[in-house]
Amino acid sequence: GAVVSQHPSWVICKSGTSVKIECRSLDFQATTMFWYRQFPKQSLMLMATSNEGSKATYEQGVEKDKFLINHASLTLSTLTVTSAHPEDSSFYICSAGSGGTEAFFGQGTRLTVV
Amino acid sequence: QQQVKQSPQSLIVQKGGISIINCAYENTAFDYFPWYQQFPGKGPALLIAIRPDVSEKKEGRFTISFNKSAKQFSLHIMDSQPGDSATYFCAPTRKGSQGNLIFGKGTKLSVKP
Repeated sequence: GAVVSQHPSWVICKSGTSVKIECRSLDFQATTMFWYRQFPKQSLMLMATSNEGSKATYEQGVEKDKFLINHASLTLSTLTVTSAHPEDSSFYICSAGSGGTEAFFGQGTRLTVV
Repeated sequence: QQQVKQSPQSLIVQKGGISIINCAYENTAFDYFPWYQQFPGKGPALLIAIRPDVSEKKEGRFTISFNKSAKQFSLHIMDSQPGDSATYFCAPTRKGSQGNLIFGKGTKLSVKP
């Protein structure tokens, strides 16, 4: 199957700083990428949908100025958590689509804000 | 409005037993019914999926049963193994969604040796 690589796997940052998470499709071009957040023992919640070359579409309740998404190429999308706070600590997961139905997920990024 | 209801929330099965997880949905436009498997600290991975033109699909020890009229589908894991211990999510969707998924709440499966 298609491979999606997410980096870093884990990151610890200080409160008030910004953190960037990368999501790359390694062997296919991803016209659409999705960003999810997962709190401990909970399900994945869609945060936003990013399409290459256009603005991301955010789900209700997700602050677009706090979670900046850039999808500058067909193989890379980035999520930047700006001015991170402890409540932003979570597991962030990206997925990519290649035009079909199946989703290909990255391995996730564990963010801890201290 | 909760579009996807998954049960049970947790499941403990003895090695060699059968694990059954259920998913009920509301949107009749859904036409792709996958199950994802997630290990701790990892992203989910597609385990098995079914389209509505068949009522059952089997891949090795994993089987999906689909009931269109009841708007339900289930995952059966035969001869459950400790390595199957993970969280399972259903995420019914529409063809061409490219991964825009609404996940069930998940079922944590523990298979005891």
